[in-house]
Amino acid sequence: GAGVSQSPSNKVTEKGKDVELRCDPISGHTALYWYRQSLGQGLEFLIYFQGNSAPDKSGLPSDRFSAERTGGSVSTLTIQRTQQEDSAVYLCASSPFRPSTGELFFGEGSRLTVL
Amino acid sequence: ILNVEQSPQSLHVQEGDSTNFTCSFPSSNFYALHWYRWETAKSPEALFVMTLNGDEKKKGRISATLNTKEGYSYLYIKGSQPEDSATYLCASPPPSNDYKLSFGAGTTVTVRA
Repeated sequence: GAGVSQSPSNKVTEKGKDVELRCDPISGHTALYWYRQSLGQGLEFLIYFQGNSAPDKSGLPSDRFSAERTGGSVSTLTIQRTQQEDSAVYLCASSPFRPSTGELFFGEGSRLTVL
Repeated sequence: ILNVEQSPQSLHVQEGDSTNFTCSFPSSNFYALHWYRWETAKSPEALFVMTLNGDEKKKGRISATLNTKEGYSYLYIKGSQPEDSATYLCASPPPSNDYKLSFGAGTTVTVRA
């Protein structure tokens, strides 16, 4: 079956522009996560969606970042007025269980470069 | 967010040799320990999810052990092959938010033919 799908795979943008990153999780997975990896850093938690519960947005680095998940499936991460420090690989993952008992299934990521 | 550390940051291994590396995490209130393999231009792939002290898991030539009392896990690669070249990530969630995995920075393994 299909895995987690992310688009675009690569995005180059100019400082100050808005970008949207899309994630299509595995069908039936109720949990969806966004992480990012900046150069030389570990994966950084951004946001967590679980079913119809309110998302945990505690990892979003600034109010320029927002995310939504429509219909419990597809998620969009939006970065407004991009800055050079936003350059990173943005990874989406989904899971049918909580990480205390089951693995995360990751997409291939969206590499964002802000010039 | 937990402080999860991995060492070494990178290592080079001759094809056929075995190697191992470490993941350290806070031992208090342990919940789970994940290992992922991330090959270039691919998605991170789960290797193991471990929850019990003394756990040992194996997948082909790769195995892992877990010591929750002292807060470390070892990943072993036996008879390294070029396809083992990847970054290996470990992660652990805090009990208060068991969905919020904290990742280490990874160990990048390069297997030389």
